[in-house]
Amino acid sequence: RKEVEQDPGPFNVPEGATVAFNCTYSNSASQSFFWYRQDCRKEPKLLMSVYSSGNEDGRFTAQLNRASQYISLLIRDSKLSDSATYLCVVNAPDSWGKLQFGAGTQVVVTP
Amino acid sequence: DAGITQSPRHKVTETGTPVTLRCHQTENHRYMYWYRQDPGHGLRLIHYSYGVKDTDKGEVSDGYSVSRSKTEDFLLTLESATSSQTSVYFCATGGRGSSYEQYFGPGTRLTVT
Repeated sequence: RKEVEQDPGPFNVPEGATVAFNCTYSNSASQSFFWYRQDCRKEPKLLMSVYSSGNEDGRFTAQLNRASQYISLLIRDSKLSDSATYLCVVNAPDSWGKLQFGAGTQVVVTP
Repeated sequence: DAGITQSPRHKVTETGTPVTLRCHQTENHRYMYWYRQDPGHGLRLIHYSYGVKDTDKGEVSDGYSVSRSKTEDFLLTLESATSSQTSVYFCATGGRGSSYEQYFGPGTRLTVT
């Protein structure tokens, strides 16, 4: 079983619509959670950290559910520029400084 | 973003040859990482460093070695390249304060023929 699992998609979203997707993580001791964005053939870039109380950054909302061990990302009012692969990232509790990456969820926003 | 550069950005090499990839950072981050990314696998950690001359293995370290003689430079060497090492290699830095956040370089596309 992978430590971090994501639906690979693609999620095809009309421009202006809302899209949401989850990822699950296996180690209940993980304490830090992130969403990264990766454009085709580019490096991953930090989109946002995910806090226990949930947090919002503009059109992006992240939620953490510790009991069920999943985190979610919601994108409102989708823009064409939101088309990318979104990586779910969790710290590896057994070793400081190490992260575990999901394989990514592809989002395609269409006009 | 952290100032992270990688060289070369693209390389084609033959099976059996040694290859060295370089990562350079200007942010004075303590931790540096080498990942490879392949379709369906996501990012997998090859080696990482938690200080000058301090390195440790990741989950896919076989066939790779690393060195870190200065805070700003982290080298990844493929001792004898194989076709299975064809991949995109990303360097990352982190360890700023107590944060787990990592910042990535632009990547190196390596093809082993």
